[in-house]
Amino acid sequence: DAGVTQSPTHLIKTRGQHVTLRCSPISGHKSVSWYQQVLGQGPQFIFQYYEKEERGRGNFPDRFSARQFPNYSSELNVNALLLGDSALYLCASSLRPDSETQYFGPGTRLLVL
Amino acid sequence: DQQVKQNSPSLSVQEGRISILNCDYTNSMFDYFLWYKKYPAEGPTFLISISSIKDKNEDGRFTVFLNKSAKHLSLHIVPSQPGDSAVYFCAATSTGTASKLTFGTGTRLQVTL
Repeated sequence: DAGVTQSPTHLIKTRGQHVTLRCSPISGHKSVSWYQQVLGQGPQFIFQYYEKEERGRGNFPDRFSARQFPNYSSELNVNALLLGDSALYLCASSLRPDSETQYFGPGTRLLVL
Repeated sequence: DQQVKQNSPSLSVQEGRISILNCDYTNSMFDYFLWYKKYPAEGPTFLISISSIKDKNEDGRFTVFLNKSAKHLSLHIVPSQPGDSAVYFCAATSTGTASKLTFGTGTRLQVTL
């Protein structure tokens, strides 16, 4: 079975632009979470979605938004990009929203110039 | 405020010996702990977890120990193999917010021949 997939793998944007990152969870998993990993740090929680509804949100500005589709795939959107948004964006899926164990995709590396 | 701390940024161990990776946490609400391994250009891979009702969990070469009174956990790898060379992240969560993993900053393990 395929694991969590993310696209694109790499992305270069300039300040002020908008970006959309995509994630497909493991088959059968209905919960998707997004994390940001800045160089030298551990992943930091951004959002969790389950059944198309936001179930949790980390300490990120409103420039960050996400949604989940009926097939449980998800998009992360970031508006008005800042240099500090340069990071590895990780998507994780789990069976249920209360599942402690999450399975991560390979990530999308975003560079903002 | 770093609620999960991995104070050793790196560790070097000889092949066949024991690797011990340490993690401390400050949030008393955390009741479930996980270890993830991360290779370059890949997402974190789940290794092993432990609930706060236990003090030890073992899976093959990997054992996690939890000391709740000291708010400390450790991952033991015996015997260490060159393929274990990676960055190891400790993560914690609490019942009710299981989707929100709080990660440490990681420890880079190098297993030498």
